[in-house]
Amino acid sequence: AQKITQTQPGMFVQEKEAVTLDCTYDTSDPSYGLFWYKQPSSGEMIFLIYQGSYDQQNATEGRYSLNFQKARKSANLVISASQLGDSAMYFCAMREGGSGGSNYKLTFGKGTLLTVNP
Amino acid sequence: GAVVSQHPSRVICKSGTSVKIECRSLDFQATTMFWYRQFPKQSLMLMATSNEGSKATYEQGVEKDKFLINHASLTLSTLTVTSAHPEDSSFYICSAKDLLWSNYLRTDTQYFGPGTRLTVL
Repeated sequence: AQKITQTQPGMFVQEKEAVTLDCTYDTSDPSYGLFWYKQPSSGEMIFLIYQGSYDQQNATEGRYSLNFQKARKSANLVISASQLGDSAMYFCAMREGGSGGSNYKLTFGKGTLLTVNP
Repeated sequence: GAVVSQHPSRVICKSGTSVKIECRSLDFQATTMFWYRQFPKQSLMLMATSNEGSKATYEQGVEKDKFLINHASLTLSTLTVTSAHPEDSSFYICSAKDLLWSNYLRTDTQYFGPGTRLTVL
């Protein structure tokens, strides 16, 4: 079974509108971390936001927020007020095990290609 | 965020030659670095975990004799693709974990380098 599932291969949004990118995960470990990265066409991976499994509140970073629904095992990324520069590939990733442990490996989803239209 | 560099950004080589890719953490120390491979329009696949001062841990299916990893210092890890073949052509990207910052924030944020595009003719 896939550990990270991103069901939207591609998404389109109008500039200045909000968009939600879906991510569901599968783990039996009670301690884990969820990440979102942005990959523009240049290839670099840009860290956007992090949510720990024990965090009580949803993470927010500027225009990015993570809609963390633990019971549903979903960690959707919400981008508010989309900009043309937001057009990129977006990857959801998970680290299983506590952050203080030795297992720092990330498992990535297949990604969602977001296109922001003017 | 922390800065990770990779060199070279792009390399073209002949089949049978070896290629070395460097990954450096510029403003922080990283006891652990990771090497990923990404084929076009696909996700990142972890190849190996590089630990400073010890042998790298390879993922299942990754040939350790073909992809040599050396993590000689807290700021440098190298990946050498030995006897490269056209099927090794790919985008190789490294990441590093900021040990001190991560412990303070209790996160495991990995910061990625800009990647190296390898083309083997």
